Amino acid sequence: GQQLNQSPQSMFIQEGEDVSMNCTSSSIFNTWLWYKQDPGEGPVLLIALYKAGELTSNGRLTAQFGITRKDSFLNISASIPSDVGIYFCAGTIQGAQKLVFGQGTRLTINP
Amino acid sequence: EPEVTQTPSHQVTQMGQEVILRCVPISNHLYFYWYRQILGQKVEFLVSFYNNEISEKSEIFDDQFSVERPDGSNFTLKIRSTKLEDSAMYFCASGRTIYGYTFGSGTRLTVV
Repeated sequence: GQQLNQSPQSMFIQEGEDVSMNCTSSSIFNTWLWYKQDPGEGPVLLIALYKAGELTSNGRLTAQFGITRKDSFLNISASIPSDVGIYFCAGTIQGAQKLVFGQGTRLTINP
Repeated sequence: EPEVTQTPSHQVTQMGQEVILRCVPISNHLYFYWYRQILGQKVEFLVSFYNNEISEKSEIFDDQFSVERPDGSNFTLKIRSTKLEDSAMYFCASGRTIYGYTFGSGTRLTVV
């Protein structure tokens, strides 16, 4: 089945640093989405990408849908303490409604 | 901001018992989903529901699982005879389109 490989698995950074994480797959995806999950909560949508090559920003967050449609990255600039959490990439393939999730990147920020 | 509401937030049940997890999707949404997340693992798709029927389901969603939208506002997931490995967070989600939908805060199911 389709799998998303997300890296890194965890990141430990200083407040104010920029963050970059990515997802790759051997399958072609129709959409790429990035979610953040806080402890005990459901995933919250950060950015949705619908076209190959699309680059979209949401405040300090920027994400891109890779040209090959097999990868995506998420960047967070000037990290702040509330950025702590687990970030998941997710995608859909042609003809399917389900979201396939990556394994997540756990972000920890040292003040 | 509209929310997807799930109840209960935590359910403990004996192995072999039936459980019903409840969700109130956002009111003008048309697509409904259940996902689960075993502790420390990724989120996994269970089932999607559109136009009063299942539109897609995963291998996890076997005969022990069923979904219902009994009254136009609630959306339920029933597990007929729970197993220890059913212990997980169960997330309901809804969307106006099939993309970028909103997740609830989840129900933590513990099977003992």
